[in-house]
Amino acid sequence: QITLKESGPTLVKPTQTLTLTCTFSGFSLSTSGVGVGWIRQPPGKALEWLALIYWDDDKRYSPSLKSRLTITKDTSKNQVVLTMTNMDPVDTATYYCAHSLYSSSWYNDYWGQGTLVTVSS
Amino acid sequence: QSVLTQPPSVSGAPGQRVTISCTGSSSNIGAGYDVHWYQQLPGTAPKLLIYGNSNRPSGVPDRFSGSKSGTSASLAITGLQAEDEADYYCQSYDSSLSGGGVFGGGTKLTVL
Repeated sequence: QITLKESGPTLVKPTQTLTLTCTFSGFSLSTSGVGVGWIRQPPGKALEWLALIYWDDDKRYSPSLKSRLTITKDTSKNQVVLTMTNMDPVDTATYYCAHSLYSSSWYNDYWGQGTLVTVSS
Repeated sequence: QSVLTQPPSVSGAPGQRVTISCTGSSSNIGAGYDVHWYQQLPGTAPKLLIYGNSNRPSGVPDRFSGSKSGTSASLAITGLQAEDEADYYCQSYDSSLSGGGVFGGGTKLTVL
C-alpha cells in the first residue's frame, strides 16, 4: 500500500525559504520508472505542477519557478524534500507530494493529503 | 493561464452524460504526449481517474472514460451521480516548457 505525507511549516514569512518533506511508504524511489512530484494549489485555484525527481536522481522543475526550487531525495529514509526560496504571499497554497509514473508523460497515481502553507508577515 | 484549456464549468442532471474537454497544442497533446485526468472532491487531494488517455486505475467505475484526438482530449462521465460533483483536471507534458508536466485550469462539475 502506497502512502505519502507532507510535512513542514504551516506559516512562513515573506522572503523566507520554505522546506517541505514528503515521507512515503509502500515503494522505493530507487525502482526504475518511479518518481515523486510536488504540486500546489492556491486556495480556490487550480493545480500547479512544481517539480519531479526520478529514481535515477534526474530532476525537473516548473520553468516559471525553476530559479527558486530545489528537489532532493533520501532513498534510505524514503523522503523527498522540496525547498522554495524567497517566499511571497502569492505562494500561499496547499502543497501536495505524489507518487509518479510515466506513460508518455508523467502522472500521479497516489497523493499525499496535502499541507497548507500560508505566507504572511 | 494554463497551456491546457478546460471549460470552467459543466453541469448535468443525474443519469445524464457529460463531457469535459482539454484543449492543447502541437507541443503537448498534439505532440503525442499522454493525457491524464484527476477528480478532486471538495476539501480532498486529487484522485487519479484516467491515465494514458483512456486507462482506468483499479476501482474507478467504468462510467468514467477518456479519449484523445489531435490536440484535444476528453473525459466522459455517463450515468451522472450526485457524488460526481467535483473539480476535474487534465494533465500532460509540454515540450516547450522543459518541465515535468502541466495541468489544465480545472472544470467544476455540478450535478443539478
